Amino acid sequence: DADVTQTPRNRITKTGKRIMLECSQTKGHDRMYWYRQDPGLGLRLIYYSFDVKDINKGEISDGYSVSRQAQAKFSLSLESAIPNQTALYFCATSDLVRGEAFFGQGTRLTVV
Amino acid sequence: AQSVTQLGSHVSVSEGALVLLRCNYSSSVPPYLFWYVQYPNQGLQLLLKYTSAATLVKGINGFEAEFKKSETSFHLTKPSAHMRDAAEYFCAVNPRETGANNLFFGTGTRLTVIP
Repeated sequence: DADVTQTPRNRITKTGKRIMLECSQTKGHDRMYWYRQDPGLGLRLIYYSFDVKDINKGEISDGYSVSRQAQAKFSLSLESAIPNQTALYFCATSDLVRGEAFFGQGTRLTVV
Repeated sequence: AQSVTQLGSHVSVSEGALVLLRCNYSSSVPPYLFWYVQYPNQGLQLLLKYTSAATLVKGINGFEAEFKKSETSFHLTKPSAHMRDAAEYFCAVNPRETGANNLFFGTGTRLTVIP
């Protein structure tokens, strides 16, 4: 089983709909992240969490919200989806000491 | 402010040729540096990392990178390209500043290997 699991893997939704992307991890890391990937822009940080009670905005948090339900679970919500939120979304966890991130397989979201 | 610059969004090499993917960073303190690879329809996989030990770092699949503080660079190389190396490569920096400790990514370089 994957260490970082994202669901769903693919989703098509309509403009204005609320959608939640879920992430769970078995690595035991405290730190979890949500990134979005767009062609030519690399990965940009949306939100990050250092523990269950610590949530922080990243570079591009507008239009998104998150919930850290447990150490192992970190979900990303789009309250009212818009077409320019069409992207590939990645969840990641990291180890404080080594600093490297471990990524899920990604969720491809299309907003029509 | 920390940033990562990858020169060249697309690089093409012939099979068997040298691969050189460039990465420059800016950081106010010596950072941790990473190279990740993304194969089609997959997540990001760590290739190698620099965490203030040896400046020449060897990674998986025959890749290596050298940290050069004077040039603020961390270029990725492989002596001989294989078809399976075709992928997108991302350089990332962890600036290690208090309160941050997040990864900042470059915009990626897509490597094409020509038979």
